[in-house]
Amino acid sequence: GAGVSQSPRYKVAKRGQDVALRCDPISGHVSLFWYQQALGQGPEFLTYFQNEAQLDKSGLPSDRFFAERPEGSVSTLKIQRTQQEDSAVYLCASSRTSGAKNIQYFGAGTRLSVL
Amino acid sequence: QQQVKQSPQSLIVQKGGISIINCAYENTAFDYFPWYQQFPGKGPALLIAIRPDVSEKKEGRFTISFNKSAKQFSLHIMDSQPGDSATYFCAANHGSSNTGKLIFGQGTTLQVKP
Repeated sequence: GAGVSQSPRYKVAKRGQDVALRCDPISGHVSLFWYQQALGQGPEFLTYFQNEAQLDKSGLPSDRFFAERPEGSVSTLKIQRTQQEDSAVYLCASSRTSGAKNIQYFGAGTRLSVL
Repeated sequence: QQQVKQSPQSLIVQKGGISIINCAYENTAFDYFPWYQQFPGKGPALLIAIRPDVSEKKEGRFTISFNKSAKQFSLHIMDSQPGDSATYFCAANHGSSNTGKLIFGQGTTLQVKP
């Protein structure tokens, strides 16, 4: 497909488990973003990659959250020792170039439920 | 700190009517204002965007009105259709940002009744 692909679509974790969420951006897109969307809320920025470089991680809520994009394409968001407040939809977006005003194309998200 | 405030939270409009969603922002450094549409189970998709050097932008049935002095902007959907039923988010970022991260409003759930 030509769009942003995220997997898994749904993830149920027991509190304290580690989870890994995957994002396949549109081929050739330089920029990659992760957002967290709580139920009934707008997406909130977590982190940003330009190619393999993580240039902004100001939105990561705690040191339990870690993201990587080692080869500048696929990205993984890892959450360690999950807590109930981590339950949300995690959205990945990519854009063709870096900087503002570039269209961000979103994936369908991974819905994480922490029990 | 909520930098972009959106209202109303929900909206019901009859088919053929006009849907109006409002947003207000605080950061005067913001200079790019997109609107996103999200259907259940899908990611947000860009609908239309505006920069503050114009007061209005129209694309088909969708129009953004922008008031820089009031730090407000709004989305108007003319001739609303049942297929427009979705959640709409306004957003903002500033051009000097080299990340392009978006600050989203809380969303408006629109229902268009046939």
